[in-house]
Amino acid sequence: GAVVSQHPSRVICKSGTSVKIECRSLDFQATTMFWYRQFPKKSLMLMATSNEGSKATYEQGVEKDKFLINHASLTLSTLTVTSAHPEDSSFYICSAQPGLGNTIYFGEGSWLTVV
Amino acid sequence: QKEVEQDPGPLSVPEGAIVSLNCTYSNSAFQYFMWYRQYSRKGPELLMYTYSSGNKEDGRFTAQVDKSSKYISLFIRDSQPSDSATYLCAMNYGGATNKLIFGTGTLLAVQP
Repeated sequence: GAVVSQHPSRVICKSGTSVKIECRSLDFQATTMFWYRQFPKKSLMLMATSNEGSKATYEQGVEKDKFLINHASLTLSTLTVTSAHPEDSSFYICSAQPGLGNTIYFGEGSWLTVV
Repeated sequence: QKEVEQDPGPLSVPEGAIVSLNCTYSNSAFQYFMWYRQYSRKGPELLMYTYSSGNKEDGRFTAQVDKSSKYISLFIRDSQPSDSATYLCAMNYGGATNKLIFGTGTLLAVQP
């Protein structure tokens, strides 16, 4: 199947700093990428939809100024958690879609711990 | 009412058993249906992708969709301990947005 890579897989940062997570589609071009957050033993919560070359569409309740999303190319989207706080500690997962109507593939996820 | 309902389990079965995982949904506009497997601390892995009502088989896995009843199932034959994971159903409307709506996931444990 298609491969979606996330980096870093784990990151620890200090409270108040910003951290960037990258999501890359390795063997296809992704017109759309999605960012999810998952709490322990819970399902995936969609944070935003990222379209190449345009602004991301955020889900209700997600702070766009805190979770900055950039989709600069057809193979790369980034999520920057700004001014991180301990409550931002979570598992962040991206997914990518090769094209309209195609299935969606997930990255391996990134564990963020804010101390 | 949630758009997608899924029993969170946990579901424990002996090795070799047939496992049945199910989801119901409320919106008849959903067009595409998927099952993902997620191991602990890993990203979801796509198992099955279906569009129409009926059955789709891939190895030990069979996905079943009943659009009239708004009900989807995943069957696992000859279950193995390595199948122990959380299984998430997901669906979307298709078209331009294509964002997935997930069930809560069912935690499956296959006992050796």
